[in-house]
Amino acid sequence: GAVVSQHPSWVICKSGTSVKIECRSLDFQATTMFWYRQFPKQSLMLMATSNEGSKATYEQGVEKDKFLINHASLTLSTLTVTSAHPEDSSFYICSARWRDREGYNEQFFGPGTRLTVL
Amino acid sequence: KNQVEQSPQSLIILEGKNCTLQCNYTVSPFSNLRWYKQDTGRGPVSLTIMTFSENTKSNGRYTATLDADTKQSSLHITASQLSDSASYICVVSTPESDSWGKFQFGAGTQVVVTP
Repeated sequence: GAVVSQHPSWVICKSGTSVKIECRSLDFQATTMFWYRQFPKQSLMLMATSNEGSKATYEQGVEKDKFLINHASLTLSTLTVTSAHPEDSSFYICSARWRDREGYNEQFFGPGTRLTVL
Repeated sequence: KNQVEQSPQSLIILEGKNCTLQCNYTVSPFSNLRWYKQDTGRGPVSLTIMTFSENTKSNGRYTATLDADTKQSSLHITASQLSDSASYICVVSTPESDSWGKFQFGAGTQVVVTP
């Protein structure tokens, strides 16, 4: 099946530093990847849609200058949280889109990255 | 207001028992409804996906039902196991959002299976 990996799985950083999270589709090419944020006991909130070779599309309320997204290849998208602050502490999940054999636009999710900003 | 409402918010069941989770949605027009299982600290994993023409779909001990007229879906877990402890998320999409990959997520039902 389709596998999506994320690295790192968890990270602790000091306030004001930047953190990069990688999302890779391991066994398929993904022209579109998505970045979500999930706070405890809440649903996944879409942050942005990442398309290979073009600028990411950000959801309303998400600061594009703070959450930098790069989709450099068909198997890799990165999310950089710049000048992180404690309120950025969250669980960040990526997903990669793939059309399965039945024609469904399926999303395969990565295992998530736990970011804690001190 | 969230267009996908799940109930209950959480539930505790004994190992071996059955349980049913509910999902009501107002998303329109409707395209697909998905149920995901999310283990703590992990990303969601797809269990089932249904279109408006499908009433039921099974994946092992998981059986999802869909009533597109009343806009309700349920996920039934049979003979629960400790490994079923997780959050179960209902996700609905319109034809447009499905093509873009932008889904409407429910808040999830947290299931705890106890020995």
